[in-house]
Parts: sequence; C-alpha cells; structure tokens
Amino acid sequence: QITLKESGPTLVKPTQTLTLTCTFSGFSLSTRGVGVGWIRQPPGKALEWLALIYWDHDRRYSPSLRSRLTITMDTSKNQVVLTMTDMAPVDTATYYCAHRIPAPGTSFDSWGQGTLVTVSS
Amino acid sequence: DIQMTQSPSSVSASVGDRVTITCRSSQGISNWLAWYQQKPGKAPKLLIYAASSLQSGVPSRFSGSGSGTDFSLTISSLQPEDFATYYCQQGNLFPYTFGQGTKLEIK
Repeated sequence: QITLKESGPTLVKPTQTLTLTCTFSGFSLSTRGVGVGWIRQPPGKALEWLALIYWDHDRRYSPSLRSRLTITMDTSKNQVVLTMTDMAPVDTATYYCAHRIPAPGTSFDSWGQGTLVTVSS
Repeated sequence: DIQMTQSPSSVSASVGDRVTITCRSSQGISNWLAWYQQKPGKAPKLLIYAASSLQSGVPSRFSGSGSGTDFSLTISSLQPEDFATYYCQQGNLFPYTFGQGTKLEIK
C-alpha cells in the first residue's frame, strides 16, 4: 500500500522560503519509472502542478514557478523535499505530494492528505 | 502550456442519472489524460488514467473515452457518494495541466 504525507510549516511570512517534505512508503524512488510530484490548490480553486522528480533524479518544474522551486529526493529516507522561495500571499494553498504511476503518460495514483500553507505577515 | 477546458463547470443531477463531463485540450495529447474526483477537504482520487483505463478499486460505473483533444468522463448511474468535483489532467507534455474542475451537485 502506497502512502504519502506532507509536512512543513502552516504559516510563512511574505518573502520567506517554504520547505515541504513528503515522506512516503510502499514504493521505492529507485524503481525505474517512478516519480513523486507536487501539486497545489488555492482555497476554492483548481489544482496546479508544480514539480516532479523521477527515479533517475530528472527534475521538471512548472515554467511559471521555475525560478522559485527546487525539488530533491533522499531515497534512504524515502523523502522528497520541495522548496519555494520568495513566498507571497497568492501562494496560500493546500500543497499535495503524489506518486506518479510508472507508465507512459503521467497520472498520480496516490496522494498525500495535503498541507495547508498560509502566507501572511 | 496546454490548456485544459472542462464543461460544464457545474452540473446538477439526481441519483441514478447518467452524467457526462467533457475535457478539451488546446493541443493533441494522444490518450494521456487522467480524471480525478475530489471531495471537500480531501485529496484528489484517481479514477481514470490513459483516457480510458479504470484505476484499481474504482467502480465500473465510471468510464472514460477520447483521444487527441476531446475526452469525456461518464458516470453511468449516479450514486450519493459521487457528488464531488471532477478534474481532468493532461500527462503528455510539461507542464502538466489540470482543467478548472466540474462540480457535480445533487438536484
């Protein structure tokens, strides 16, 4: 059974850097084709894909946020970390990490519960 | 970026009804489309991947079809637990993009 859980601060101030950790079990990020992605959802709005890291350490980012995002992985700890710099109130959202199905095309079959991050002074 | 447009944005239906939600991409994405269901305060749940493949554990009343730019999700006979918001997502090209969502409400 695949499980993922996001952790990190619930409140950050404008201009600060957000660091979120996704701790997972039930799969290995060393297995070919596997990936972990981050998706966010502002209150009452749609889902927005942010970043994805693959088993081979290949990383992809949303172009609109590319300059602010970094995604890393630690296979020994079964963790993926997302950092987002220069946070602003518009970044207030629930942040999810999710497991990418190791198959052609990309869809996410298992999701964490999400963590609500509020950006406010 | 590939734009994903869902219609309708909201729909009211009754238990037992057949409902179809459509999703159109701004350029061809082959069959790399997924459908998710999201209930308030919960994470999205994968229903359909690769346009028409039913995710394990998802009831067979859910089905998906389409390829290229036009896709649909059909619920053959609505059950009370199906009232939720549904999102499509293209997984063909970066950046991966989601539709704006379709809220399915009880009539």
